[in-house]
Amino acid sequence: QKEVEQDPGPLSVPEGAIVSLNCTYSNSAFQYFMWYRQYSRKGPELLMYTYSSGNKEDGRFTAQVDKSSKYISLFIRDSQPSDSATYLCATLNRDDKIIFGKGTRLHILP
Amino acid sequence: DTGVSQNPRHKITKRGQNVTFRCDPISEHNRLYWYRQTLGQGPEFLTYFQNEAQLEKSRLLSDRFSAERPKGSFSTLEIQRTEQGDSAMYLCASSSSGAAYEQYFGPGTRLTVT
Repeated sequence: QKEVEQDPGPLSVPEGAIVSLNCTYSNSAFQYFMWYRQYSRKGPELLMYTYSSGNKEDGRFTAQVDKSSKYISLFIRDSQPSDSATYLCATLNRDDKIIFGKGTRLHILP
Repeated sequence: DTGVSQNPRHKITKRGQNVTFRCDPISEHNRLYWYRQTLGQGPEFLTYFQNEAQLEKSRLLSDRFSAERPKGSFSTLEIQRTEQGDSAMYLCASSSSGAAYEQYFGPGTRLTVT
């Protein structure tokens, strides 16, 4: 079992819709969870990180962690065509190495 | 601060040649990481430095790969005797030592081995 599992998509939604992106992880010891956005042929851009369970909001983005089910979510409200990118979920292991999911390709249709 | 920079952005080389990539981290960050990303996959950890000390190397990093950070500032990643399987995006990231969850990535160097 991979340490972080993420559906690669692609996921296509109409502009203005709420987007839900999800990941699962295997190790209950993980405490930090991150979401990165990556445009084609660019480096990943850190969107937000959360510690332990709970929600964190930043503008149109909300990250949610449920440690009881080992489930990580990112919600994007009022989605825009500029949100079209690959979204990578990630966690930090005890050796301070980031473990990434495969990424979900998101297309926002105008 | 202009963020993490990497050079070159693209490199095409013939199999068997050596290549070297450079990464300049965010100036106040003492940790520097190297990752490799292939198409359709997330980045995979290769190695990282705290100041000039290389603290960990992944099993992915064969003997043909070597990384240095001689003065605790920029870093170089060298691949000797390149193989076609080395074709990938090589990403550099930096962070503070107390905030490894907050790594900032550079634009990457795309390597194509022909």
